[in-house]
Amino acid sequence: DVKVTQSSRYLVKRTGEKVFLECVQDMDHENMFWYRQDPGLGLRLIYFSYDVKMKEKGDIPEGYSVSREKKERFSLILESASTNQTSMYLCASSPPGLREYNEQFFGPGTRLTVL
Amino acid sequence: AQTVTQSQPEMSVQEAETVTLSCTYDTSENNYYLFWYKQPPSRQMILVIRQEAYKQQNATENRFSVNFQKAAKSFSLKISDSQLGDTAMYFCAFTSLDSGTYKYIFGTGTRLKVLA
Repeated sequence: DVKVTQSSRYLVKRTGEKVFLECVQDMDHENMFWYRQDPGLGLRLIYFSYDVKMKEKGDIPEGYSVSREKKERFSLILESASTNQTSMYLCASSPPGLREYNEQFFGPGTRLTVL
Repeated sequence: AQTVTQSQPEMSVQEAETVTLSCTYDTSENNYYLFWYKQPPSRQMILVIRQEAYKQQNATENRFSVNFQKAAKSFSLKISDSQLGDTAMYFCAFTSLDSGTYKYIFGTGTRLKVLA
């Protein structure tokens, strides 16, 4: 079974803190994704990566950065957390090949609260 | 720009009954893919069913089937013989390679409750 894990289920941070959200997948997938999930807005793509050290902006990259130093790990960084970044963050991975066709495998999510 | 619309924020259905969740989308692309994902309460999101736009035949997976109307840009999910374990948030999603840029767009979700 594909397993996508995220470092924390719940996280509380202060405004202005630097926040790291970690995601690890164990199926050697090339593609990895970070989304945020908000009620009434669905899931919105923040960043994705299709290879080590490669990254592409999604629809809402402002205020976020990412790092992919190893194939299995994809980190989301909030350089200076703000209250409007309070949300559920979902990580996903998908196999190589036609990216648009492939199923995404999701982690359990990290619920981040910024005070 | 592509959009995905789920117009039913919440629905309920009696156990063993059939329910249909609606999804419409807007795109000028010809080649794209559509998905339904399920997010059970406090559990991970999983794929329910996938449809390729160039295929006329509607996809089916056991009790789950879709009604794909390409001209109408509609992609509804039918759940037959509903079970308590079908209680979840359901998301419709669209993907394409739009002018060389990868797009993966989710709808706002429909919360389905199956009643005993």
